[in-house]
Amino acid sequence: QKEVEQDPGPLSVPEGAIVSLNCTYSNSAFQYFMWYRQYSRKGPELLMYTYSSGNKEDGRFTAQVDKSSKYISLFIRDSQPSDSATYLCAMRGQGNLIFGKGTKLSVKP
Amino acid sequence: KAGVTQTPRYLIKTRGQQVTLSCSPISGHRSVSWYQQTPGQGLQFLFEYFSETQRNKGNFPGRFSGRQFSNSRSEMNVSTLELGDSALYLCASRPTSGSETQYFGPGTRLLVL
Repeated sequence: QKEVEQDPGPLSVPEGAIVSLNCTYSNSAFQYFMWYRQYSRKGPELLMYTYSSGNKEDGRFTAQVDKSSKYISLFIRDSQPSDSATYLCAMRGQGNLIFGKGTKLSVKP
Repeated sequence: KAGVTQTPRYLIKTRGQQVTLSCSPISGHRSVSWYQQTPGQGLQFLFEYFSETQRNKGNFPGRFSGRQFSNSRSEMNVSTLELGDSALYLCASRPTSGSETQYFGPGTRLLVL
């Protein structure tokens, strides 16, 4: 079992839809959870960072961490065509950052 | 502030050759990490340098090496290239080794023929 599992998609939604992206993990030592967005031919950029459990909101983006279920989510409200990108979850305990393989999202106008 | 820059952006090599990739971090950032990104394995951590010292290393063979200079610029070297080394190599910088916010460069796309 891989440490971090992420559905690769692709995921296609109409503009204005609510998008839900998810990752599961197996290592209960993970405490730091992040979501990165990667546009084509670019490096990843940090979207959201959460320490331990709970929710965090930033504009149209909400990150949720459920440590009891070893499950993290990123919600995008009122999705826009400019949100079309690959979204990578990442997490770590005391060691290196472990990334999911990414979910490719396409938001159609 | 200028972002993380990586050179070259694209590279084609043949099996058995070696390659050196360069990364200039954001001004003032002292930590530089390197990652390999492939469709099959995703983004995998190679190593991290802080103040010219390797702080952390991922699970890659010894053919992959790196170094950091006193101005925080970093180089990554891959010797005896294999076809499986074809990937996007990403560099990320952060202010200190303990900071969770790291900034990625655009990457160097390496193709090994």
